[in-house]
Amino acid sequence: DAGVIQSPRHEVTEMGQEVTLRCKPISGHDYLFWYRQTMMRGLELLIYFNNNVPIDDSGMPEDRFSAKMPNASFSTLKIQPSEPRDSAVYFCASSLAGPDNQPQHFGDGTRLSIL
Amino acid sequence: QKEVEQDPGPLSVPEGAIVSLNCTYSNSAFQYFMWYRQYSRKGPELLMYTYSSGNKEDGRFTAQVDKSSKYISLFIRDSQPSDSATYLCAMSLYNFNKFYFGSGTKLNVKP
Repeated sequence: DAGVIQSPRHEVTEMGQEVTLRCKPISGHDYLFWYRQTMMRGLELLIYFNNNVPIDDSGMPEDRFSAKMPNASFSTLKIQPSEPRDSAVYFCASSLAGPDNQPQHFGDGTRLSIL
Repeated sequence: QKEVEQDPGPLSVPEGAIVSLNCTYSNSAFQYFMWYRQYSRKGPELLMYTYSSGNKEDGRFTAQVDKSSKYISLFIRDSQPSDSATYLCAMSLYNFNKFYFGSGTKLNVKP
């Protein structure tokens, strides 16, 4: 089975540019999560969706960050305008609720560097 | 105070040793406890999960939860160099949605 797929794997861009990170969850999973990982703060939950609807976005740091899930197989995390302090590894994860409830499965992340 | 505390290590052990990794937490309402392994430049990979208290074993790995002490452990028997990674504990309240992660312990198993 294909796991969670994220693209791009690496992104280097200049401050002020728009950045779009993409995620394809595991087929059939109904929850999708966006995380950010840094050395200082560890793994932080930014936002999560259930059946394409945002449930909790309390972890989104600022209005510069936005996330969408237009359908069950695709989600984006956008940063506009980007700043050097946004440099981090961004992970997407998905999980399945219901009788087969299981913990989250992670993608391999997007390593973002803002110059 | 963080919800979940984890010693960052690094922890260095010889091959074949028994490894003990631990997390403490402050919220007594946590019910689900997870352990993830993260290799360098990869995403966290689910190792094991338990509900409420007790032990769970899977091959060389054993997870323990002590809710009275708010303390969870992961034991690795006969550790291998391939076990060298960062181990993250995670906890949640009602389901597998909002996770609270520890900061991770870096483990190095020397051949």
